[in-house]
Parts: sequence; structure tokens; C-alpha cells
Amino acid sequence: ELKVEQNPLFLSMQEGKNYTIYCNYSTTSDRLYWYRQDPGKSLESLFVLLSNGAVKQEGRLMASLDTKARLSTLHITAAVHDLSATYFCAVDIPYSIDSGGGADGLTFGKGTHLIIQP
Amino acid sequence: EPEVTQTPSHQVTQMGQEVILRCVPISNHLYFYWYRQILGQKVEFLVSFYNNEISEKSEIFDDQFSVERPDGSNFTLKIRSTKLEDSAMYFCASSEGKYRGYGYTFGSGTRLTVV
Repeated sequence: ELKVEQNPLFLSMQEGKNYTIYCNYSTTSDRLYWYRQDPGKSLESLFVLLSNGAVKQEGRLMASLDTKARLSTLHITAAVHDLSATYFCAVDIPYSIDSGGGADGLTFGKGTHLIIQP
Repeated sequence: EPEVTQTPSHQVTQMGQEVILRCVPISNHLYFYWYRQILGQKVEFLVSFYNNEISEKSEIFDDQFSVERPDGSNFTLKIRSTKLEDSAMYFCASSEGKYRGYGYTFGSGTRLTVV
């Protein structure tokens, strides 16, 4: 059974600071996804990481993937209040020809509730 | 940008009643999914659907749940006899292509409240 663990689950930080959210997963996979969710809203795709060593950046957020360590990080640089949200990582199992083209679902972490105070 | 559309946005139903949640996936996507999120908790996979049949389902997706693609555009989740613990946000998602890694687009969700 695939397990996905995020830490921390809650994070309160001040604007201008840097911080990293960690996502560990238990089964071999080279596909990891980061989503943002605002209260009562849907899941907004932030990053799709598809290979070992993948690094993607968008504004103040940067995500990386180490498939050997089964670890992804989401780094926040010089945080601003607008980044306050819950961040989820999610993993799916690599496609297998033997699976006959079936589509497996995503397994999510519990989410990191991030509050950035002015 | 293409969107996954879900209706209704909020539904209140009495325990034991049947509900149907509706989704219109992105038109060129081939894989369709339902997820649920109980308030304040993580997002949980329910079911995936491809080529007009269920590809995979989780332990949550028991006999009270069913999915259907009644026409070329809609994708529905039916809960036959709702229970209080079915209260959650239900998200539909879709993905294109045969190989995973294309990413998943989520709808805005339906908040189901069972009273």
C-alpha cells in the first residue's frame, strides 16, 4: 500500500522567511504532484515532477524530486501572505504496460496548512 | 483554459436518500476520477474510469457507490443510500493520454451534507 507523508502538517511563518515542506512516499514512483488548496476551494495544480532530479520553479515556490530517497520538497522563498493555503503532495504508481492501460488514482499526503503572517 | 465542471456546488440531503453528483470532464481527456475530502482531512481516491468502465476503486468505494458516463460529456457519481459519514467535498478530476504523468485537472467540487 502506497503511503504518502508530509511534514510539517502545520506551519506558521512570517513574511520574508524561507521554509521547506517535505513529502515522503513509500513505494517506487517517479511521478509526484504538488497542489494548493485555499479554504473551501478546489485543488490547484502547482507542479508535476516526472523524473529523478526534477526541479521546477514558479515564483517563490520551487519543487524537487529525489526518487531514490522517495522524497520531494516544496521550498518557499521570501514568503508572502498570499501563499497562505494548504499544500498537498500526491503520488501515483508508474504506468505499467502489463496493467492494460488502467488508470490508478493519486494517493495524497495529509496536507501542510501554511499560515504566513505579515 | 479548459476546466472540469461540477454540479451542484452544494447539496444537502437526508440520510438514506440517493444523490447524484455530476461532472463534465475536459473534452479530450480519457481518464476520469472521483475523490472525496472530509472536512479538514486529506483527499482520498474513490474510483477511476477509463474506456467506459471502472479501472480501479478504493476500499471506500463500496456497493452504495456507482459511476456512470451516460453520454459523451457527463460523468456521474451516485450514492444510493447516503449516510452521515458521506458528508464531504467530492472532487471530479480528469486526465489526458494513455500514460500517466500528464497531470490531473480537478473540478471545483460538490460539498455534500447529509443530515
